[in-house]
Amino acid sequence: DQQVKQNSPSLSVQEGRISILNCDYTNSMFDYFLWYKKYPAEGPTFLISISSIKDKNEDGRFTVFLNKSAKHLSLHIVPSQPGDSAVYFCAVSGNTPLVFGKGTRLSVIA
Amino acid sequence: DADVTQTPRNRITKTGKRIMLECSQTKGHDRMYWYRQDPGLGLRLIYYSFDVKDINKGEISDGYSVSRQAQAKFSLSLESAIPNQTALYFCATSDRTSGSSNEQFFGPGTRLTVL
Repeated sequence: DQQVKQNSPSLSVQEGRISILNCDYTNSMFDYFLWYKKYPAEGPTFLISISSIKDKNEDGRFTVFLNKSAKHLSLHIVPSQPGDSAVYFCAVSGNTPLVFGKGTRLSVIA
Repeated sequence: DADVTQTPRNRITKTGKRIMLECSQTKGHDRMYWYRQDPGLGLRLIYYSFDVKDINKGEISDGYSVSRQAQAKFSLSLESAIPNQTALYFCATSDRTSGSSNEQFFGPGTRLTVL
């Protein structure tokens, strides 16, 4: 059973617009939530995270929102840029190593 | 620069061969991980180690074994490779002092093809 679900395998957005990537999880015991970004031929790199005691964390163009009651988190990228085109993984942390979703491929079209 | 390195970066082998993938890190982290990535399946944990004497199975450990030779080195072995082990393999590290965030740092990956 998937503990972390990213239901959109892909997303296309126009340059300058907002990109919203979504992630759902099943276990309310997870206490930290992370987003990773992956370019082809490279390893995933950490992007932004949020603790379960918060509902929003912002870092420049990237904002992560956490809705604990819905067990849902989202990553907003505003404005989207062509260099943001990559695969984005959400990951959750509890008493076990990180559990990753299957990823969403974001394409930002110029 | 403190880093996570993986060797080889690409490997093509035949069914039944023994293969070892190596990971080294200069970050001084105590925790190390092996993942595989398959199209549409995301990153799945194979094995992890929280220190030199600690080895734990992950979600998909069957057909794999690991060795933690030192704090900085963690190798993954396929004793008898099979075609469905064709995948992209990533090593990662984390620091136990990162607490609940458990942020992990990934190597560049090894692309393994089993014919």
